[in-house]
Amino acid sequence: QSALTQPASVSGSPGQSITISCTGTSSDVGTYNVVSWYQQHPGKAPKFIIYEVDKRPSGVSNRFSGSKSGNTASLTISGLQADDEADYYCCSYAGGSTYVVFGGGTKLTVL
Amino acid sequence: QAQLQESGPGLVKPSQTLSLTCTVSGGSISSGDYFWSWIRQPPGKGLEWIGYIYYSGTTYYNPSLKTRVTVSVDTSKNQFSLKVYTVTAADTAVYYCTRVSQYYYYMDVWGKGTTVTVSS
Repeated sequence: QSALTQPASVSGSPGQSITISCTGTSSDVGTYNVVSWYQQHPGKAPKFIIYEVDKRPSGVSNRFSGSKSGNTASLTISGLQADDEADYYCCSYAGGSTYVVFGGGTKLTVL
Repeated sequence: QAQLQESGPGLVKPSQTLSLTCTVSGGSISSGDYFWSWIRQPPGKGLEWIGYIYYSGTTYYNPSLKTRVTVSVDTSKNQFSLKVYTVTAADTAVYYCTRVSQYYYYMDVWGKGTTVTVSS
């Protein structure tokens, strides 16, 4: 069982927007503004797409955005494209002796 | 831009020790801005953080794996390594090495990953 909870799957049609939630606790997401998100295509290494909750690394499309409210972080992808079909993982610092926690991953299907 | 490359045996027998090395190129492992981390992904499953190390040798481990893993660093070779002891089939996974921001804990550079199978 993962420390952060994500929906197993989400889907959307090209051009639409989708949001993936990532629910933690007051010990991780709720306390630290260091949530990051990763995109993973089949057979590939994860790619870093969001950091510090809502910041985009250079080169990542502005169609990807992040936010946080309380113990839940969210990733929104707007203007869905076929290439967005992938697995998405959230990650947070958790402090104490836990340090790093991942979500279980969400499979995005572009219909 | 830094690049990371994992290396090591693809097949390990049960009860033996899994050993992997990550070679860092295009940057110094002694940069104080980063930790160096291992992540694994069992077949069909999600990502699991194993542990990370600072260039000074300070280590941080996933509590669920802490008794069976060791991460070490060799700054002279610009490499860091992972050992997982007494492996079982549950340790079969793709193992990734990553660079981690010391301040904001994001993993911005990933190796391509190496598949390790535990089987007799």
